[in-house]
Amino acid sequence: EVQLVESGGGLAKPGGSLRLSCAASGFTFSDYSMNWVRQAPGKGLEWVSSITRSSTYIYYADSVEGRFTVSRDNAKNSLYLQMNSLRAEDTAVYYCARSPGGLYYFDYWGQGTLVTVSS
Amino acid sequence: SYELTQPPSVSVSSGQTASITCSGDELGDKYACWYQKKPGQSPVLVIYQDSKRPSGIPERFSGSNSGNTATLTISGTQAMDEADYFCQAWDSSTAVFGTGTKVTVL
Repeated sequence: EVQLVESGGGLAKPGGSLRLSCAASGFTFSDYSMNWVRQAPGKGLEWVSSITRSSTYIYYADSVEGRFTVSRDNAKNSLYLQMNSLRAEDTAVYYCARSPGGLYYFDYWGQGTLVTVSS
Repeated sequence: SYELTQPPSVSVSSGQTASITCSGDELGDKYACWYQKKPGQSPVLVIYQDSKRPSGIPERFSGSNSGNTATLTISGTQAMDEADYFCQAWDSSTAVFGTGTKVTVL
């Protein structure tokens, strides 16, 4: 069974940092591109970042470019999102999601982890 | 930047057909997919590559994509289909989600 379990969310102050993790199981992690998607309270889904299987290609939304860094450790079946210079508008539930066969769609999602940025 | 526009809400009587549109410039030249999102739950992929259904998704969900519009159709809508629905496509190495449509089953 495919499982994606996010962790690392919590309360951070504006300008602060958090590191999210996503532990994957039930599939060959290194065969899939991985992604972060977020949903702010009362808002729609927003793509944050994607990383291909061997980390060859990495993409970011304009809203997080230069502040967030995505990475993966295929030996540990884990995906990460380092979030720096956090802003109030980064408050959201952050989901990790898997992409099969290239970056076209997200077929499995984790349960999400809540990030709150507030003073 | 690329935008995908959906109607904010769609209402449908139980057992009837609901159609949700997603509009974007030359969307038909891209692959579109659809996600169902219920409060407090993770999104679920219901249609990918315009019209394919993932394993476990009921046959009442179907999709199409042509010109500037992708459409998600729910035939014989059930109460359990009440949710927010988001379309999604890729443009210039950026994943774009639609604005979202709240489907209410009457």
